[in-house]
Amino acid sequence: EAQVTQNPRYLITVTGKKLTVTCSQNMNHEYMSWYRQDPGLGLRQIYYSMNVEVTDKGDVPEGYKVSRKEKRNFPLILESPSPNQTSLYFCASSPRTSGRSYNEQFFGPGTRLTVL
Amino acid sequence: GQQLNQSPQSMFIQEGEDVSMNCTSSSIFNTWLWYKQDPGEGPVLLIALYKAGELTSNGRLTAQFGITRKDSFLNISASIPSDVGIYFCAGRTNTNAGKSTFGDGTTLTVKP
Repeated sequence: EAQVTQNPRYLITVTGKKLTVTCSQNMNHEYMSWYRQDPGLGLRQIYYSMNVEVTDKGDVPEGYKVSRKEKRNFPLILESPSPNQTSLYFCASSPRTSGRSYNEQFFGPGTRLTVL
Repeated sequence: GQQLNQSPQSMFIQEGEDVSMNCTSSSIFNTWLWYKQDPGEGPVLLIALYKAGELTSNGRLTAQFGITRKDSFLNISASIPSDVGIYFCAGRTNTNAGKSTFGDGTTLTVKP
């Protein structure tokens, strides 16, 4: 089944403890992206990747890192999580980096992170 | 960064009623997108719009790309209970490939 998977789906952690949220897609998509969703603020883009080894900042990159060593994986790393990073995180991918299929983003199921 | 103002924030309607929501921006977008998010899931693309003035339908959903390129609306006709969810608009520009800007969402509740 074609899908975007995220792990873990739920995570409670403490301030300062490094964590990684994994994202994997099995559709051979070029483009991948991370968003956070907070009540009343919609989805805000954290980082995106146009292809392997190509990453760029979105609107809210502070406190996050990403890497794209393989086409299928795009992990989100929080080196020193803080309570203001408590949020619902979504990974997404799309087939191309240009043209109309570029806009067909497929979203993962989300990861709910709580930082105490 | 760019911002999208989406309204209304929430709607409570009776089954069978029509729904209208819109998005406005202070800057131009080359692509407007409408997504729906069901409870506990990620957003799913409903409609994509690529040209100013374009009107596109997907079943009971109709969306339009504003002439000024700074706005878009989504209409849902004859609502049903499964229309419940959060609807997001999103915009993309050709000059900054890769970046997506989302509205704050419209939460729709449909009473049977």
